[in-house]
Amino acid sequence: DVKVTQSSRYLVKRTGEKVFLECVQDMDHENMFWYRQDPGLGLRLIYFSYDVKMKEKGDIPEGYSVSREKKERFSLILESASTNQTSMYLCASRKLNTEAFFGQGTRLTVV
Amino acid sequence: RKEVEQDPGPFNVPEGATVAFNCTYSNSASQSFFWYRQDCRKEPKLLMSVYSSGNEDGRFTAQLNRASQYISLLIRDSKLSDSATYLCVVNSARGTYKYIFGTGTRLKVLA
Repeated sequence: DVKVTQSSRYLVKRTGEKVFLECVQDMDHENMFWYRQDPGLGLRLIYFSYDVKMKEKGDIPEGYSVSREKKERFSLILESASTNQTSMYLCASRKLNTEAFFGQGTRLTVV
Repeated sequence: RKEVEQDPGPFNVPEGATVAFNCTYSNSASQSFFWYRQDCRKEPKLLMSVYSSGNEDGRFTAQLNRASQYISLLIRDSKLSDSATYLCVVNSARGTYKYIFGTGTRLKVLA
């Protein structure tokens, strides 16, 4: 079974903090994604990576950056957390043109 | 116009009923299509891929209509455990790596 693991289920951070969300997959997938999910807005793509050290902006990259130094790990960084970044963050991975597998999600609250 | 559109519902149906959801997409060059299921406060999980010829998995049938640019999901003999949000996913042809998610359709199966 494919396993996508996110480092935390729940996080509470203060405004202005730098926040790291980690995602690890164990199936040698090339593509990895970070989404955020908000009520009424569905899943919105923040960044994706199609291979090691490669990244592309999604639909809402502002306020975020990413890092992919190893194939199995894709990190999302909130440079300076703000309250409007309170959300559910979902990491996903896949082989090209196949279905994506999701991590369990990180519910981030910025206070 | 959104790239992928779904009726948010909720669809409230009695146990044993047949229910169908549609999902329209705007990019005629889209290549891959999927239905995901998401339970409350959980991550999305693949329900089924959607092939050009249609496919069936037990009580679930998925169809693709390229001419009218929509995919459908039919659930027969609904169970209480089918209550969830169903997400339509389209692989955008603008960038091979990019999935576009619908906002989901909520289904409640009532006893």
